[in-house]
Amino acid sequence: GQQLNQSPQSMFIQEGEDVSMNCTSSSIFNTWLWYKQDPGEGPVLLIALYKAGELTSNGRLTAQFGITRKDSFLNISASIPSDVGIYFCAGQLTNQGGKLIFGQGTELSVKP
Amino acid sequence: NAGVTQTPKFRVLKTGQSMTLLCAQDMNHEYMYWYRQDPGMGLRLIHYSVGEGTTAKGEVPDGYNVSRLKKQNFLLGLESAAPSQTSVYFCASSPRQGEAFFGQGTRLTVV
Repeated sequence: GQQLNQSPQSMFIQEGEDVSMNCTSSSIFNTWLWYKQDPGEGPVLLIALYKAGELTSNGRLTAQFGITRKDSFLNISASIPSDVGIYFCAGQLTNQGGKLIFGQGTELSVKP
Repeated sequence: NAGVTQTPKFRVLKTGQSMTLLCAQDMNHEYMYWYRQDPGMGLRLIHYSVGEGTTAKGEVPDGYNVSRLKKQNFLLGLESAAPSQTSVYFCASSPRQGEAFFGQGTRLTVV
């Protein structure tokens, strides 16, 4: 089946540092989504991307829809302790209407 | 605003028992999804639906069945539970193309 390869799997950073994570696939997507999940909760949407090349920000978060439509990136600037959690990318496939698949997640730890 | 509501939140089953997980959304979304989440595996798609009366298989459909008799509800059934189905199950809904909204999850343990 289709796969989304998300990296890195985990990150340990100092408060104030910037963070980058990405997702790649061999399939083409028409939508890329980025989520954050806190322990014991469902994933919460951070950013949605709908066009190749699109760059969208949400506060300190910035995400981009890759030109090839096979990848996406999420950057977090000036990290703070509440950024701790698991971040997931998700893609909606162009040729399988509605099917939404997820990457394996990036676990972020922020040291004060 | 309720959003996406999952019932129950916790359940313990014995091997071989059956159960149904209910997902209800009040946002009039066309698409609904069932995922399972296991440590280190991310969210894996079990089944999904692109509209009332339709269902499709995801990445890990074996051992599960689903039904979407009403637009607002998406049911996930386990006919004969196995320990390998111990997991946290999430339901989500989304508009035709766009962001998916998740429920709070159902933690299922099969002993």
